[in-house]
Amino acid sequence: DAGVTQSPTHLIKTRGQQVTLRCSPISGHKSVSWYQQVLGQGPQFIFQYYEKEERGRGNFPDRFSARQFPNYSSELNVNALLLGDSALYLCASSLADSNSAQYFGPGTRLLVL
Amino acid sequence: QQQVKQSPQSLIVQKGGISIINCAYENTAFDYFPWYQQFPGKGPALLIAIRPDVSEKKEGRFTISFNKSAKQFSLHIMDSQPGDSATYFCAASRDGNQFYFGTGTSLTVIP
Repeated sequence: DAGVTQSPTHLIKTRGQQVTLRCSPISGHKSVSWYQQVLGQGPQFIFQYYEKEERGRGNFPDRFSARQFPNYSSELNVNALLLGDSALYLCASSLADSNSAQYFGPGTRLLVL
Repeated sequence: QQQVKQSPQSLIVQKGGISIINCAYENTAFDYFPWYQQFPGKGPALLIAIRPDVSEKKEGRFTISFNKSAKQFSLHIMDSQPGDSATYFCAASRDGNQFYFGTGTSLTVIP
């Protein structure tokens, strides 16, 4: 079975631009979460979606938004990019929204210049 | 406030030795405690996880010890191998929702 897939793998943007990252969960998984991992740190929670509804939001500004589609894939959008947004963006999927293991994708490496 | 505190930051172990990584948490509502292994340029991979109703869980060379009263849990890697060299993260969540991660431990196993 295919694991969590993310696209693109790498991305370079300039300050002020907007970016969209994409994630496809493991088949059968209905919950998708997004994390930001800055170099040398643990992943920081951004959003969780379950059955296309937002179930949780971390301490990130409104420049960050996300959505989940009927096929359970998801997009993370970041507007007005700042240098500090440079990070590895990870998507994780799980079977349900509670008491389920989360499985991570390989991430999208975003560099903001 | 760091919800999950992890130590040590880095660890060097001889091949065949035992690697021990510790984590402490604050929120007693947490009910799921996974450990992840991450290689450079890759996403974290789930290693093993435990719930607070058991004190120990073993899967192969990996064991989680859980102390509910002390709000601590640890990962033991028995017979450590050079291929285990990676960064390890502990995490905690309530109801499988928002996961809080530790800051990571860089493990190096020397031959």
